[in-house]
Amino acid sequence: AQTVTQSQPEMSVQEAETVTLSCTYDTSENNYYLFWYKQPPSRQMILVIRQEAYKQQNATENRFSVNFQKAAKSFSLKISDSQLGDTAMYFCAFMSGTGANSKLTFGKGITLSVRP
Amino acid sequence: GAVVSQHPSWVICKSGTSVKIECRSLDFQATTMFWYRQFPKQSLMLMATSNEGSKATYEQGVEKDKFLINHASLTLSTLTVTSAHPEDSSFYICSASRLARAYEQYFGPGTRLTVT
Repeated sequence: AQTVTQSQPEMSVQEAETVTLSCTYDTSENNYYLFWYKQPPSRQMILVIRQEAYKQQNATENRFSVNFQKAAKSFSLKISDSQLGDTAMYFCAFMSGTGANSKLTFGKGITLSVRP
Repeated sequence: GAVVSQHPSWVICKSGTSVKIECRSLDFQATTMFWYRQFPKQSLMLMATSNEGSKATYEQGVEKDKFLINHASLTLSTLTVTSAHPEDSSFYICSASRLARAYEQYFGPGTRLTVT
């Protein structure tokens, strides 16, 4: 079974600074997807970024980028120019293969606070 | 596009009664729908996976007779919590995916259930 580990329960960052959220995972598969989701106080799950395991290039979405280290099974999220609206809980997640019933396995999450 | 709605957003029920939560894909046909449970400040726990017209597949430890899931059409899945008790109070989230892009799950806004 796959596992996703987020070892930091909380982090805080000053507005406009850069912060990196850590995530490691364990799998024996070669074809999979990795995700970072944001859950603000509204509790709506929002996809931040997705990485396909077969792609060597790290995914980026505006201020959000990942450092995907496949051999080390590490998938960290970097948030640049942090904004107050980035305050939320962030979940790292794993999905295997491309089957119709592919399930997401979530990490425990990290609460990020952006200070003004 | 790819919007998922849930109804109701918040429900309070008395202990021993049943409550139904609806999950709808508004602008796409959802091949698969997923039901999650989330306690405050914790991660999402997958309860079950359902495909249109088929019986749901429940995760280990989830009581299928207590949490009845019906996926009657490609746009609607329902979760019925039968004989609810205070310990069933939680935040319930659904997500939906399409066969052609199974790696994308679209999340509903969640339903807060309080059992008194």
